[in-house]
Amino acid sequence: DQQVKQNSPSLSVQEGRISILNCDYTNSMFDYFLWYKKYPAEGPTFLISISSIKDKNEDGRFTVFLNKSAKHLSLHIVPSQPGDSAVYFCAASALSGNYKLTFGKGTLLTVNP
Amino acid sequence: KAGVTQTPRYLIKTRGQQVTLSCSPISGHRSVSWYQQTPGQGLQFLFEYFSETQRNKGNFPGRFSGRQFSNSRSEMNVSTLELGDSALYLCASSFSGSAFNEQFFGPGTRLTVL
Repeated sequence: DQQVKQNSPSLSVQEGRISILNCDYTNSMFDYFLWYKKYPAEGPTFLISISSIKDKNEDGRFTVFLNKSAKHLSLHIVPSQPGDSAVYFCAASALSGNYKLTFGKGTLLTVNP
Repeated sequence: KAGVTQTPRYLIKTRGQQVTLSCSPISGHRSVSWYQQTPGQGLQFLFEYFSETQRNKGNFPGRFSGRQFSNSRSEMNVSTLELGDSALYLCASSFSGSAFNEQFFGPGTRLTVL
């Protein structure tokens, strides 16, 4: 049972345009969400997070939006750069005493120069 | 500050063998989590240790086990290897293990089972 779903295995955008990566979740106990970026041969690195008490969090070119009623979150990258090309993982956690992150399967983003 | 280190980086084993992977967390971090990454399933949580105690466990068979030492270094062991155990095994360390504390991942150990 995939509790965190990233339905797009890949996404290709032009440099300078907006990249939008989507993530859906089914477990209503999740109340903290994170995005990780992964380059080949490296471990994932934390990008940005959002708590369920917010609907938006921004950090430079990266913004995460959370729609709790739809159980949907998205990561916006503006403007996209070739160095952003990587696999992006959405992850979720239920903070109540649970030290586990549940990850989606990832979306491969390719930013073309 | 040194990052999370994992050894070995690559490993080839045959079915039925056992394997031990090692993870050294960032200095001062007391929580270590292990994940399995496969192309079809993404990252799946194996277990998390804090101060030598397993606090949470994912849905993996008992062939997968782990432990943590007093210096926070952690090992995971897979016994009676199966072809499906071929994967990238990632460990992550954090100060407390809470999702609020950023988890720092190591580069992973690529295990191939023949």
